[in-house]
Amino acid sequence: QVQLVESGGGLVKPGGSLRLSCAASGFTFSDYYMSWIRQAPGKGLEWVSYISSSGSTIYYADSVKGRFTISRDNAKNSLYLQMNSLRAEDTAVYYCARDRGRGGGLLDIWGQGTMVTVSS
Amino acid sequence: DIQMTQSPSSLSASVGDRVTITCRASQSISSYLNWYQQKPGKAPKLLIYAASSLQSGVPSRFSGSGSGTDFTLTISSLQPEDFATYYCQQSYSTPCTFGPGTKVDIK
Repeated sequence: QVQLVESGGGLVKPGGSLRLSCAASGFTFSDYYMSWIRQAPGKGLEWVSYISSSGSTIYYADSVKGRFTISRDNAKNSLYLQMNSLRAEDTAVYYCARDRGRGGGLLDIWGQGTMVTVSS
Repeated sequence: DIQMTQSPSSLSASVGDRVTITCRASQSISSYLNWYQQKPGKAPKLLIYAASSLQSGVPSRFSGSGSGTDFTLTISSLQPEDFATYYCQQSYSTPCTFGPGTKVDIK
């Protein structure tokens, strides 16, 4: 069964760091681009970052550039998002998603999400 | 970045109604338009991709149309499980961008 499971969310103070993980199963992880998307409470969807299947191509939204780092370990079927210098406006549910569109954003499989709360 | 707008922002409908949601892009995106359904507390689910292609497993009452800047999602006969928020998204250029959503609730 094709599945993505996020973990690592929690409560962190402004300026703090957090590392999110996304475990993939049921498909050949190394064949697919992967993305992170977030959704602030009661708000819409915001794409955050994507990484190519090999990890050689990476893009970030302007809102997180320089603070967040996406990475992947194909041997472990895992995707990561290192979040530094966190701000209140980063508070959101973070979803990982499989990108069937090779970076274009055709997001056909989503995880259940992990909540990140940035507050003092 | 390409801006996406949707109308209406919300609508009330009854089971069996035909529902139409529109999405507009700030520039031409050819057919690189996807539709997602999201229920409260759940992850979004891909319904339609490339403007009019039905994702595997999605009921045929869902359909999409359009190209260029104007797109439509139609639910031919609304079912109880269809009450949700619907988002359009362009995958024409990076960053991909989502519309603000259309909430469909029960009349």
